[in-house]
Amino acid sequence: GQNIDQPTEMTATEGAIVQINCTYQTSGFNGLFWYQQHAGEAPTFLSYNVLDGLEEKGRFSSFLSRSKGYSYLLLKELQMKDSASYLCAVNRTDKLIFGTGTRLQVFP
Amino acid sequence: GAGVSQSPSNKVTEKGKDVELRCDPISGHTALYWYRQSLGQGLEFLIYFQGNSAPDKSGLPSDRFSAERTGGSVSTLTIQRTQQEDSAVYLCASSAAGTANQPQHFGDGTRLSIL
Repeated sequence: GQNIDQPTEMTATEGAIVQINCTYQTSGFNGLFWYQQHAGEAPTFLSYNVLDGLEEKGRFSSFLSRSKGYSYLLLKELQMKDSASYLCAVNRTDKLIFGTGTRLQVFP
Repeated sequence: GAGVSQSPSNKVTEKGKDVELRCDPISGHTALYWYRQSLGQGLEFLIYFQGNSAPDKSGLPSDRFSAERTGGSVSTLTIQRTQQEDSAVYLCASSAAGTANQPQHFGDGTRLSIL
């Protein structure tokens, strides 16, 4: 079976740091992706982790622990434009299995 | 093209009609994927193409759904005898190769509404 869990909604303040967690249980694992999706728009690629550890890319970082089936996306220096849904997706032999996404609202 | 292109962007049709949704992937991308996103739900995998063949059709919800890809490029998703539960945004994505570490690039989707 497969199960990917993310919080449904989060709120944060402009300039703050927010961590969005994702836990997964899947048969087969070939890496984990994070996508950003603004309302009414296509998901856009943020990060990819296949090995344990932290990948940093500007204001965004993503962490993976394969033994714990756990990942997080860390957003620093939040901006209003970061208000969006953040989708965690496990890569299973070329098929992405998505969580339901975390809707982040950034307030001034 | 520069990105994944989907058409139409919106489609409203009556229950029982057939619909065709089109996806034009990024030039050179061999892998193509169809997903469905219902309101408030995550993306649901439908089908995956590598070239013109579909190694994984496991996500197609019923035999009313079919897809094809020709010339290793454009793909069409066809829904026959549409039902109201088919209403959703249908997203297409492509990647450079059907390998594990290639990100998928999404089109803007087709918003399908069944009356």
